[in-house]
Amino acid sequence: QLVQSGAEFKKAGESLKISCEGSGYSFTSYWIIWVRQMPGKGLEWVGMIYPGDSDIRYSPSFQGQVTISADNSISTAYLQWSSLKASDTAMYSCVRLSSGRFDPWGQGTLVTVSS
Amino acid sequence: QSVLTQPPSASGTPGQRVTISCSGSSSNIGRNTVHWYQQFPGTAPKLLISGNNQRPSGVPDRFSGSKSGTSASLAISGLQSEDEADYHCATWDDSLKGPVFGGGTKLTVL
Repeated sequence: QLVQSGAEFKKAGESLKISCEGSGYSFTSYWIIWVRQMPGKGLEWVGMIYPGDSDIRYSPSFQGQVTISADNSISTAYLQWSSLKASDTAMYSCVRLSSGRFDPWGQGTLVTVSS
Repeated sequence: QSVLTQPPSASGTPGQRVTISCSGSSSNIGRNTVHWYQQFPGTAPKLLISGNNQRPSGVPDRFSGSKSGTSASLAISGLQSEDEADYHCATWDDSLKGPVFGGGTKLTVL
């Protein structure tokens, strides 16, 4: 399963790092994908990481806006911002890429940024 | 603007059959399998259909999926009130080299 860190309430300009801990499987053997869901909207691919060799790919829409990383010693992937904007307010979820499908999902981390 | 196109809403009465469409292109649905997810407010998406038409263990056989060319569909037969949720389609995009999703369809059971 994937367990994410709790909700965050931040101000514009602040930095933030949220986490996604994997358990019950070989963390280094599967891609972890980050997905954004803005209020009332659909799902958007943010980026992904293969912990086994730290291969990281970003959606063109999010390149340069966020940083993805992982710490294999604690089976945890991260999504971070150096300077949040109000438009970053959304639910962010991690999900495992497994045999071509996206499953399981973390429970989501709600990020609220006030201006 | 989502890469995959879904109708924003769908509705039906209990017992009816409802279908939700998902339209893509040759770089995504045309080359890869489609997955469907069910999402209730405030919760994470749950895998409903994988590989175009495979139901994970525990998913009722009222749910079925199909794919033809660059489009896919989710069908729900014998509609029940607990089916009221958002439904998302997803697949891999070979050009983007990443996953793509539909905008989601809100299903209302009248």
